[in-house]
Amino acid sequence: DADVTQTPRNRITKTGKRIMLECSQTKGHDRMYWYRQDPGLGLRLIYYSFDVKDINKGEISDGYSVSRQAQAKFSLSLESAIPNQTALYFCATSGPGRASQETQYFGPGTRLLVL
Amino acid sequence: AQKVTQAQTEISVVEKEDVTLDCVYETRDTTYYLFWYKQPPSGELVFLIRRNSFDEQNEISGRYSWNFQKSTSSFNFTITASQVVDSAVYFCALEDPGGYNKLIFGAGTRLAVHP
Repeated sequence: DADVTQTPRNRITKTGKRIMLECSQTKGHDRMYWYRQDPGLGLRLIYYSFDVKDINKGEISDGYSVSRQAQAKFSLSLESAIPNQTALYFCATSGPGRASQETQYFGPGTRLLVL
Repeated sequence: AQKVTQAQTEISVVEKEDVTLDCVYETRDTTYYLFWYKQPPSGELVFLIRRNSFDEQNEISGRYSWNFQKSTSSFNFTITASQVVDSAVYFCALEDPGGYNKLIFGAGTRLAVHP
C-alpha cells in the first residue's frame, strides 16, 4: 500500500462549488504539505502543517483552506472553486519528528478541473 | 530571496546519449539542502537525491550523477546512456531556510528520450 494517498485522484467541478481534497499518510510523519503544480511553474506551496495544532499559509493560500484532522490526515478545501484553480495538487509529508532537513515524500496527485 | 532556476524548459535526446539538466539556486544561507525529483508521465513525484551544502562530493547512482558546485550555486544532474524510461519532468528544489522543510521548486525540465 502507498505511504501517502490522495483522494480523489481526478475531479471535475463547476465554478462556485466547494470541494475537498483529502490526504492520508502511514509514514508516521508530523509534517504535511499541500502544493499545486501548474505547467511551467513547478510546484508552489499552498499550506503546511507541523502537527495537528499547527497550520501555516504558504506562497499561494488565497482561495484555499485546510484542516489537519489527525496526524495522518490533512485536507485541502476550495471554498468556491474558480477556473484558475485548475491544476495538479500534491500532498507531501516529511519527518519523522520535528527535525529539519528531511526528505519530502509526495502522494500520487489529484487532477482538478474547474469548469 | 530563495530561488531555483532550471533554464532548460525541454530537452530532447536520442537513446544512449548523455544528458545534463542544469539547476542554479539562490540562497543567503550557509547551510541548506538541495533536492531532485522525477515526475514520469504517470504524474507522481519520485525522490531522487538530497544533498546538504557541506557535502560537495559528486554523487553517482547507477546512470545518474549529480555535480554540486557551491562556487557557481549549481546542482546539475547528468543521466549517462539515457533510456526511454528516463523521459520525465525533472524538478530541482531548495529547502526554505525558515524551517518546516518547505521546498522551493524550479519550473522543471521536460526530458524526452527517443528510441
